[in-house]
Amino acid sequence: EPEVTQTPSHQVTQMGQEVILRCVPISNHLYFYWYRQILGQKVEFLVSFYNNEISEKSEIFDDQFSVERPDGSNFTLKIRSTKLEDSAMYFCATTDPSSGNTIYFGEGSWLTVV
Amino acid sequence: RKEVEQDPGPFNVPEGATVAFNCTYSNSASQSFFWYRQDCRKEPKLLMSVYSSGNEDGRFTAQLNRASQYISLLIRDSKLSDSATYLCVVNCPPGGGGNKLTFGTGTQLKVEL
Repeated sequence: EPEVTQTPSHQVTQMGQEVILRCVPISNHLYFYWYRQILGQKVEFLVSFYNNEISEKSEIFDDQFSVERPDGSNFTLKIRSTKLEDSAMYFCATTDPSSGNTIYFGEGSWLTVV
Repeated sequence: RKEVEQDPGPFNVPEGATVAFNCTYSNSASQSFFWYRQDCRKEPKLLMSVYSSGNEDGRFTAQLNRASQYISLLIRDSKLSDSATYLCVVNCPPGGGGNKLTFGTGTQLKVEL
């Protein structure tokens, strides 16, 4: 089965530091997403990305967050100045209409802000 | 009202039991519907899509009632390996393609010997 891979699997960072989470989408997928899940809470949509630009973002995705696909392969989520409440599991997901719009999730990056 | 609302858990059932989960959604513009399974600290994994006509996949049966904005999942002959959190998920795609999934909080199932 095709895979979305994410790195790092776990990162501990100090409050105020910048964090970059990386995702390698399934090749030939064109739509990319970030979701997050705070421990004990539901999975929440952050942002969708298509054709090298954000197509939709949630109210969670404020100016502290940014996404890009700098080299045509990695899809990154940057948190500029982390806060304690950014501690969560961050899931990358990808899809493509040619695959029946099935959404494939990566295994997640667990971010702990201390 | 929550966008996607699910039965509170946990459901503790003996092996072999039949268990049903319910879900309601608030956005009538939602276009597609799913049940995902999530194991502890793992990513959500698609269990099955849900169609208006109802659909079955082995021991799992899903139903959708668009008029009532209600989705259900029935698990028959439950196994220990079915223990997980079951997420009701609704897709309301934004214009221009792509998807936007809205997740329920999940219902935890524990199947016991």
